[in-house]
Amino acid sequence: SAVISQKPSRDICQRGTSLTIQCQVDSQVTMMFWYRQQPGQSLTLIATANQGSEATYESGFVIDKFPISRPNLTFSTLTVSNMSPEDSSIYLCSVEWGLGRSYGYTFGSGTRLTVV
Amino acid sequence: TQLLEQSPQFLSIQEGENLTVYCNSSSVFSSLQWYRQEPGEGPVLLVTVVTGGEVKKLKRLTFQFGDARKDSSLHITAAQPGDTGLYLCALLQGAQKLVFGQGTRLTINP
Repeated sequence: SAVISQKPSRDICQRGTSLTIQCQVDSQVTMMFWYRQQPGQSLTLIATANQGSEATYESGFVIDKFPISRPNLTFSTLTVSNMSPEDSSIYLCSVEWGLGRSYGYTFGSGTRLTVV
Repeated sequence: TQLLEQSPQFLSIQEGENLTVYCNSSSVFSSLQWYRQEPGEGPVLLVTVVTGGEVKKLKRLTFQFGDARKDSSLHITAAQPGDTGLYLCALLQGAQKLVFGQGTRLTINP
């Protein structure tokens, strides 16, 4: 499976500012996925990022709030814009790998964001 | 309505006890994945089950996929403190959208 490096691992930000999270994969992948995990909750897909095209956002998430870049097949960024305390969550990137019974997703270690 | 219902949401037991976590859906799914997430880390894939009735063992963990492919369970035998974590079931909705259950937060007390 792929190895993902995600940074920063955590940050404390002032409301109204923006934070950009980076994910670097050790192999080329077609799609990268961005998830949000609110405190004590499960993971919710924010968007899917394809290289060379605009990201596809899930219901409840918009590009103005969560702009995504995908400049090449090994790298992506997610920006959390104009932050409010409600944006305090763990943000994770992910890639898929394998086939059939050996199919799954690898996740970065996450970015724990606290907005004050 | 949650696509995947996991139960229990919280479980705290003593070291050495056995436990079972359940994942249920009203829909049939082609495959299901189980993940474990530890604090400060992303989820790590434990197993993917594909065939109805399938049973897979991973050391003290036994995963079962229901015959009708609408439910799955994870059984841990002789739980150890290292098993502590958030256990998540997930399925693919459409081509590549991974949908997670609410998770079971498991604590094993020494």
